Amino acid sequence: AQRVTQPEKLLSVFKGAPVELKCNYSYSGSPELFWYVQYSRQRLQLLLRHISRESIKGFTADLNKGETSFHLKKPFAQEEDSAMYYCALYSNYQLIWGAGTKLIIKP
Amino acid sequence: DVKVTQSSRYLVKRTGEKVFLECVQDMDHENMFWYRQDPGLGLRLIYFSYDVKMKEKGDIPEGYSVSREKKERFSLILESASTNQTSMYLCASSPRVSNQPQHFGDGTRLSIL
Repeated sequence: AQRVTQPEKLLSVFKGAPVELKCNYSYSGSPELFWYVQYSRQRLQLLLRHISRESIKGFTADLNKGETSFHLKKPFAQEEDSAMYYCALYSNYQLIWGAGTKLIIKP
Repeated sequence: DVKVTQSSRYLVKRTGEKVFLECVQDMDHENMFWYRQDPGLGLRLIYFSYDVKMKEKGDIPEGYSVSREKKERFSLILESASTNQTSMYLCASSPRVSNQPQHFGDGTRLSIL
């Protein structure tokens, strides 16, 4: 069955520390994966997608097919990174969503 | 820039009422989606539509219906609202071209008393 797992509901790190938000997926085929972010009182928006291989707001995510993972990383966290982060897998016109991780950056 | 507009930001209704949530997008997207967002559960798909008058059930369609009479508008209907439908409802749209990102509205926080 297709599934996206974000094992951490809450992640709290200090400003300037590295951040890694975990995402694991289950999918038979070549996956298309996304990270979405929702800042407080703002709409859910695309952060990055794996096929773009880009860095957005200092975040990167690498698809690891062997470990079926698509972890989101940033070397130095900033306070404005505090938000809710969702990992999503494209399948059959839909997105399959993880439960989300709330990231809190402590000053 | 894509604009997805949901008719209400906050809505309070009573148990048993018929509730309409409206969503309009201005980018001529074929696909439209309704989700509910609950803490710890992430986004759960209620219904989606890939064309006018077409609809497909998502993961949790019970107690809901939808209408897509025009391409730009996708309505979610709670036939007889119940307290367990209190939630944040998100509308999204995307082009038909496969794996394009979805664009979201601001959400409607619905409370059923």
